Amino acid sequence: AQSVTQPDIHITVSEGASLELRCNYSYGATPYLFWYVQSPGQGLQLLLKYFSGDTLVQGIKGFEAEFKRSQSSFNLRKPSVHWSDAAEYFCARNSGGYQKVTFGTGTKLQVIP
Amino acid sequence: EAQVTQNPRYLITVTGKKLTVTCSQNMNHEYMSWYRQDPGLGLRQIYYSMNVEVTDKGDVPEGYKVSRKEKRNFPLILESPSPNQTSLYFCASSETENTEAFFGQGTRLTVV
Repeated sequence: AQSVTQPDIHITVSEGASLELRCNYSYGATPYLFWYVQSPGQGLQLLLKYFSGDTLVQGIKGFEAEFKRSQSSFNLRKPSVHWSDAAEYFCARNSGGYQKVTFGTGTKLQVIP
Repeated sequence: EAQVTQNPRYLITVTGKKLTVTCSQNMNHEYMSWYRQDPGLGLRQIYYSMNVEVTDKGDVPEGYKVSRKEKRNFPLILESPSPNQTSLYFCASSETENTEAFFGQGTRLTVV
């Protein structure tokens, strides 16, 4: 069964510092990968997605992610974090032929002044 | 405005009393899903629907039912709720299972 692992439950960074959130997925052909953000009390919003092509994907709010097939990873990055980025971040995947969507357990980001 | 609407937003009920959480989308999406979100477990898919009258189990379907009689609506039914179904529930829709999902605002359910 396909799976998604987010090894960091909670991350704290200082405002203005860089950020990297890790995501590993189980091996499978042609993964469709997503990062979503959930602000407190809200639903989830798509940050970016990868289907094919360029392995460095740009998203909204200054986020980017890099797909690395050799490492089965799809890590999310941001060069300079803003206080408004404090939220919970979820990595998700599907792949051609699978109809289910699998989410990771999430990483809660805290931003300190 | 494109949106997924869930109702109610908050619900407290007693064990065994049947309830339905409604979900409606206005984007003509074919794929719809229900998830439950629990601390430390992320979002887990309960049921999904590929189109009208086509539904299938996700990873945690026990104790839930769904129906898809119309494209826009995908209600979640708990025939006999139990306390372990206390959770935050999200409905989502997308063009297919491989495209961006649009989420509702969530329904916080407490079963006592």
